[in-house]
Amino acid sequence: GAVVSQHPSRVICKSGTSVKIECRSLDFQATTMFWYRQFPKQSLMLMATSNEGSKATYEQGVEKDKFLINHASLTLSTLTVTSAHPEDSSFYICSARPLAEPYEQYFGPGTRLTVT
Amino acid sequence: AQSVTQPDIHITVSEGASLELRCNYSYGATPYLFWYVQSPGQGLQLLLKYFSGDTLVQGIKGFEAEFKRSQSSFNLRKPSVHWSDAAEYFCAVGPYTGTASKLTFGTGTRLQVTL
Repeated sequence: GAVVSQHPSRVICKSGTSVKIECRSLDFQATTMFWYRQFPKQSLMLMATSNEGSKATYEQGVEKDKFLINHASLTLSTLTVTSAHPEDSSFYICSARPLAEPYEQYFGPGTRLTVT
Repeated sequence: AQSVTQPDIHITVSEGASLELRCNYSYGATPYLFWYVQSPGQGLQLLLKYFSGDTLVQGIKGFEAEFKRSQSSFNLRKPSVHWSDAAEYFCAVGPYTGTASKLTFGTGTRLQVTL
């Protein structure tokens, strides 16, 4: 149990286009999901906290207009990178906090974004 | 502000040898401490976690970690390393508020295992 999926696992897009990444909790409901970003050979940095039915809370320095987060249901949160640039190329990982186990969070497998 | 330091960027050990990965944290309140492992191109797998109780925590894959409040450390250990343990290891700290919250990660330690 407690599986989190991300789609796509890899995506290549052209500079200036937008790309959407989905984070799904497959076997549990999640009121809260977290979005992290990981640069090559570096640590994970929290980008934002996504709460179902409300606006996401962004960390300092993260452009909310560039990284649009939508948490429309208890099993799905999406991250849309708008007007992507090569510097947005990164590994994006989400985690989900189960409604029934609020002290836990489970990580997805990540999405590799490459902007050309 | 909370922070995590993993002083060793890269460690190489022989298969069968013991392993200790260091983690020091800075946190103003009671910390919730984690160790995760990440294989190349993959997400994170939780090895173990600690909030309270016995300061020696057992995790999966034969790993354990010891919480030492006086040293602000939460080092990860394994008595005998297997080649499949080669991966990136992250220590993380978060607030214990009764609900899982955002985590602050260390910079990671890359473990290489030689045969």
